[in-house]
Amino acid sequence: QKEVEQNSGPLSVPEGAIASLNCTYSDRVSQSFFWYRQYSGKSPELIMSIYSNGDKEDGRFTAQLNKASQYVSLLIRDSQPSDSATYLCAVSLYSGGGADGLTFGKGTHLIIQP
Amino acid sequence: DVKVTQSSRYLVKRTGEKVFLECVQDMDHENMFWYRQDPGLGLRLIYFSYDVKMKEKGDIPEGYSVSREKKERFSLILESASTNQTSMYLCASSRPPADSEAFFGQGTRLTVV
Repeated sequence: QKEVEQNSGPLSVPEGAIASLNCTYSDRVSQSFFWYRQYSGKSPELIMSIYSNGDKEDGRFTAQLNKASQYVSLLIRDSQPSDSATYLCAVSLYSGGGADGLTFGKGTHLIIQP
Repeated sequence: DVKVTQSSRYLVKRTGEKVFLECVQDMDHENMFWYRQDPGLGLRLIYFSYDVKMKEKGDIPEGYSVSREKKERFSLILESASTNQTSMYLCASSRPPADSEAFFGQGTRLTVV
């Protein structure tokens, strides 16, 4: 069964601190991993993609991937109140011959406290 | 700029009505997807399409059908709307392969009364 797991939160982090969001997935052959940010009442917005083991940095965001542990994380440095949102982990999961698009976790609700 | 447009932001329909949700993308993407999002359940895939006139069932296709007559347009059809189909519906598109990054429309909040 395809599964992408996230802690639903809420995760409360003081402004200026590092927010750490985690995601585990069930499919050992997954190749593509994404983080989306979703503000309340809005649609998901892509913020990071990662395909290889290790770290990928983009501004204040760092995605980390460990395929052996089936674990992907997102770090947000110098957290701002505008980072308060729900963060969705998305993973390519496969069945039969190929990928069936992306499977999303239920999301982690992040609150940055001023 | 990436653009996926859903025809309605809010929609209220009566039980038993046939409902059409339209999605258009201007990025020449082959792949298009319909999801629904519910509190506590997250995003769930209803149907997807990798090419014109083709469609594949996702995780929760019951009560829904789709149509893709043109590359840029992917329609979700509720044959006979029921109250348990009240939800946020999200359309997305992506380039091949199927596990590429997906871009979402603004969503349609459907209420069935």
